[in-house]
Amino acid sequence: DAGVIQSPRHEVTEMGQEVTLRCKPISGHDYLFWYRQTMMRGLELLIYFNNNVPIDDSGMPEDRFSAKMPNASFSTLKIQPSEPRDSAVYFCASSSSTAYSYTFGSGTRLTVV
Amino acid sequence: GIQVEQSPPDLILQEGANSTLRCNFSDSVNNLQWFHQNPWGQLINLFYIPSGTKQNGRLSATTVATERYSLLYISSSQTTDSGVYFCAVHTGGFKTIFGAGTRLFVKA
Repeated sequence: DAGVIQSPRHEVTEMGQEVTLRCKPISGHDYLFWYRQTMMRGLELLIYFNNNVPIDDSGMPEDRFSAKMPNASFSTLKIQPSEPRDSAVYFCASSSSTAYSYTFGSGTRLTVV
Repeated sequence: GIQVEQSPPDLILQEGANSTLRCNFSDSVNNLQWFHQNPWGQLINLFYIPSGTKQNGRLSATTVATERYSLLYISSSQTTDSGVYFCAVHTGGFKTIFGAGTRLFVKA
């Protein structure tokens, strides 16, 4: 298995633009998580899905952020419009409720200028 | 909400030394994990350990759920152990809350 795959690895965009981050979880995992990591706030859980259904989105900072999981093999995190304070590393992770294997992707480093 | 506190925040070791990292949490949890983030940013799951003790090579972990703490032991440290060690707790299913981490540097 190739692990959790995130794209792009790096994204530089101008303030006000729409940004879409993508994640392919490990096949067979029924949980998917989106995290944001910054120096000031550490690792924050933004939202997580179980069997493609959003379970808890209380960590999503504001309405500019949205996440979808249209099927078991793909999820997106969208920021519209982006702001400089959204600059961070965004991680996707997937897990299996039966096997307790929790795997992170390599992250997307987002810079909003 | 639940608070997760890790100590020490920073640690410098000479290669070959042993160390203990601590994680305290403020409420009952469903599960607890330890992660290592290497200097290139990759996060690796080390242990799922809601209670008891587990060992994996030079690393071992102990969680005492009734007293709300977990310990990560690193023996015979190597330079490749450098990075940040995170404790994360699960509340209400799979909602995961991370501590601020312990930054470890192992000198050759």
